[in-house]
Amino acid sequence: DQQVKQNSPSLSVQEGRISILNCDYTNSMFDYFLWYKKYPAEGPTFLISISSIKDKNEDGRFTVFLNKSAKHLSLHIVPSQPGDSAVYFCAAPGSSNTGKLIFGQGTTLQVKP
Amino acid sequence: EPEVTQTPSHQVTQMGQEVILRCVPISNHLYFYWYRQILGQKVEFLVSFYNNEISEKSEIFDDQFSVERPDGSNFTLKIRSTKLEDSAMYFCASSGQSQETQYFGPGTRLLVL
Repeated sequence: DQQVKQNSPSLSVQEGRISILNCDYTNSMFDYFLWYKKYPAEGPTFLISISSIKDKNEDGRFTVFLNKSAKHLSLHIVPSQPGDSAVYFCAAPGSSNTGKLIFGQGTTLQVKP
Repeated sequence: EPEVTQTPSHQVTQMGQEVILRCVPISNHLYFYWYRQILGQKVEFLVSFYNNEISEKSEIFDDQFSVERPDGSNFTLKIRSTKLEDSAMYFCASSGQSQETQYFGPGTRLLVL
């Protein structure tokens, strides 16, 4: 079940530069998307979300863009900081309204000082 | 800041044994979830729980699995007869009115030998 896909397993950027993490989805019924961040030995932490009625949502250094026609969303982190190094998961709620989240495979971001 | 806690952090068991993984969700949350992540794979939904009932369960959540909220604070996942393939990181999560914004615990790493 590959409804949410993150095709890049890893990304490395220099501190201060922009990090762009990508996510694609196949189910056009998805109307809400979330990004979670995960450090080793910790659970995923909610980062930012976007509703399908918007194409952009910004929270400080983090911005999520949604392109519904392409079924694609991206997370921009600018400027990137070494503390941003983590695994980033894209997720979408399942259609049953029970809170089930469908996660992508994750992208490991490394921000080099 | 309120957080989800899980015990134990690590559990090693023999195949065929029963294990109980414990979680204390955030106190005013209404929705509760279990997810798991097999090493190197994506985070997978197991079950959602609301109003003392299972709202949805995945195909992974077979008859060997059960959940319970025995009192007002704990939320447990029981695996009756563990299999080697149950080895994974198990995450508990909870949410308030916004089901999609889920708060995850640090996880229990289960190793079945």
